[in-house]
Amino acid sequence: QKEVEQNSGPLSVPEGAIASLNCTYSDRGSQSFFWYRQYSGKSPELIMSIYSNGDKEDGRFTAQLNKASQYVSLLIRDSQPSDSATYLCAVLLSEKLTFGTGTRLTIIP
Amino acid sequence: DAGVIQSPRHEVTEMGQEVTLRCKPISGHNSLFWYRQTMMRGLELLIYFNNNVPIDDSGMPEDRFSAKMPNASFSTLKIQPSEPRDSAVYFCASSRTGGGYQPQHFGDGTRLSIL
Repeated sequence: QKEVEQNSGPLSVPEGAIASLNCTYSDRGSQSFFWYRQYSGKSPELIMSIYSNGDKEDGRFTAQLNKASQYVSLLIRDSQPSDSATYLCAVLLSEKLTFGTGTRLTIIP
Repeated sequence: DAGVIQSPRHEVTEMGQEVTLRCKPISGHNSLFWYRQTMMRGLELLIYFNNNVPIDDSGMPEDRFSAKMPNASFSTLKIQPSEPRDSAVYFCASSRTGGGYQPQHFGDGTRLSIL
């Protein structure tokens, strides 16, 4: 089992709809959870962090964490074409980040 | 504030040559990470430093790879001799250490091609 798993996609969502990205992780000792966005040919950019169970909202983005189910998700409301990118889930354990392979998201105008 | 600065942005060299990648972390960050990203394997941690000391180099693929951090504002990743399978994008990232709550910030990466 991979340490961090994501559906590789591609995931296509109409403009204005909600995009839902999912991630599961294997180590229950994981401490912190991050979502990075990576445009083609660019570096990963941190967009959300979450540390405790529940939801965390920042603008159009909502991160959800369920430690019992070892599940992290990212919701993007009112999706825009500029949201088209690869989204990387990252899990922190003992100061080491382990990344999923990413979900490629395409917003269809 | 300046972000993580990497150089060169692109490097093309022939197999067998020595390659040196450079990184300047964000000022005040005391953890530094080197990653490699390929289509096949995604983003992999190679090595990380805390306060200039290498903590975990278990991700370094083999002895041809070495990394140093002589001071808080500079690190290098060296490949000698280079091979075509080393072709990838190499990212450097930095963070503040402590509590497991500090996110990592990435540089723009070095796109390395070994011919």
